[in-house]
Amino acid sequence: QQQVKQSPQSLIVQKGGISIINCAYENTAFDYFPWYQQFPGKGPALLIAIRPDVSEKKEGRFTISFNKSAKQFSLHIMDSQPGDSATYFCAASRRNSGNTPLVFGKGTRLSVIA
Amino acid sequence: DVKVTQSSRYLVKRTGEKVFLECVQDMDHENMFWYRQDPGLGLRLIYFSYDVKMKEKGDIPEGYSVSREKKERFSLILESASTNQTSMYLCASSPAGAQADTQYFGPGTRLTVL
Repeated sequence: QQQVKQSPQSLIVQKGGISIINCAYENTAFDYFPWYQQFPGKGPALLIAIRPDVSEKKEGRFTISFNKSAKQFSLHIMDSQPGDSATYFCAASRRNSGNTPLVFGKGTRLSVIA
Repeated sequence: DVKVTQSSRYLVKRTGEKVFLECVQDMDHENMFWYRQDPGLGLRLIYFSYDVKMKEKGDIPEGYSVSREKKERFSLILESASTNQTSMYLCASSPAGAQADTQYFGPGTRLTVL
């Protein structure tokens, strides 16, 4: 049972364009939704995260949009740059239920071409 | 900065060998995790630990065991390596409490089983 579904699996975007990656979750008890970024040869690193009490969170060129009723959240990368080329993972967890591990999506490989 | 180190970046083993993957973190984190990463399958949790000598199964524990004798060290053991365990193995750690969801990953060990 896949609790967090991520799409697309891969994405090619022109430099300066907007990259959009979508995730959908099933467990309504999830209350924390981070995105991780992984460059080749490196481990994933936390990029940005949101809690369901807000519908949007922005950090620089990266924005998370959250739709609680639809159980969906997405990552938008504005003015995409070749340096953004990486694999992106969405995740979800229940913050107030003790030590419950993150549930990760399957990842999106983003390539930003000049 | 949090540092998670893994004993090897690349490892080649023979079928049937016992394999040890070591992970050490230097931030006194309570939680530690082992994942494997395969193309198209994302990050899959093998085992995790919330305290010394404590372990819990993740989504794919079959064929693996773990050991946590000291807080900073979490070992993944392949009792009898098989070719289908060829993969990238990632270790992560996180603090307990409200910050538990921010996981810090090591650079990974690429294991090839021949």
